[in-house]
Amino acid sequence: AQSVTQLGSHVSVSEGALVLLRCNYSSSVPPYLFWYVQYPNQGLQLLLKYTSAATLVKGINGFEAEFKKSETSFHLTKPSAHMSDAAEYFCAVSDGGDMRFGAGTRLTVKP
Amino acid sequence: DGGITQSPKYLFRKEGQNVTLSCEQNLNHDAMYWYRQDPGQGLRLIYYSQIVNDFQKGDIAEGYSVSREKKESFPLTVTSAQKNPTAFYLCASSMDPGTSLDTQYFGPGTRLTVL
Repeated sequence: AQSVTQLGSHVSVSEGALVLLRCNYSSSVPPYLFWYVQYPNQGLQLLLKYTSAATLVKGINGFEAEFKKSETSFHLTKPSAHMSDAAEYFCAVSDGGDMRFGAGTRLTVKP
Repeated sequence: DGGITQSPKYLFRKEGQNVTLSCEQNLNHDAMYWYRQDPGQGLRLIYYSQIVNDFQKGDIAEGYSVSREKKESFPLTVTSAQKNPTAFYLCASSMDPGTSLDTQYFGPGTRLTVL
């Protein structure tokens, strides 16, 4: 069965600094990978997804993620953090069955 | 506007009462899902349905029940058998599970509090 591990339950960056949120996956077949963002008391919003078309995936709000099969990773990055990026971020994997979510990483952006 | 709606946004329940959470979608998606979210635990799958009149248990189905009589609707009942029901409940739908179209779209959630 597939699974996802998000390294770091909390990440804090300064406004304008690089954002790096880590995600490693486990899957027995080529996976579909996703990043979602959740603002307080709201549902999850899709940031981007990987479906094997390209290893570097660009999403909304300036985020992107790179699929690295050799490292089984799908880390999320943004070159310059904005205050509005403060939220919880979830990595998810689907291999044709259920979608499995990581525990989430809460991103804090300091002024 | 196409999307997923959940109601109510906040729900309070006394111990021993059953309560039903509504989830409706007008995206014409075949599959629908219910998740429970607790702090620090991510999302855990309660039930899912890939077609009308059919549904399967997820990882934490005990104390919950669902129905799927219409494609657009997938209500979740939290029964008195659920020992710790206070949580944030999220409904989602997707077009074609297991394919490149398998993106789940989420509703705004219902926060259930047991008094």
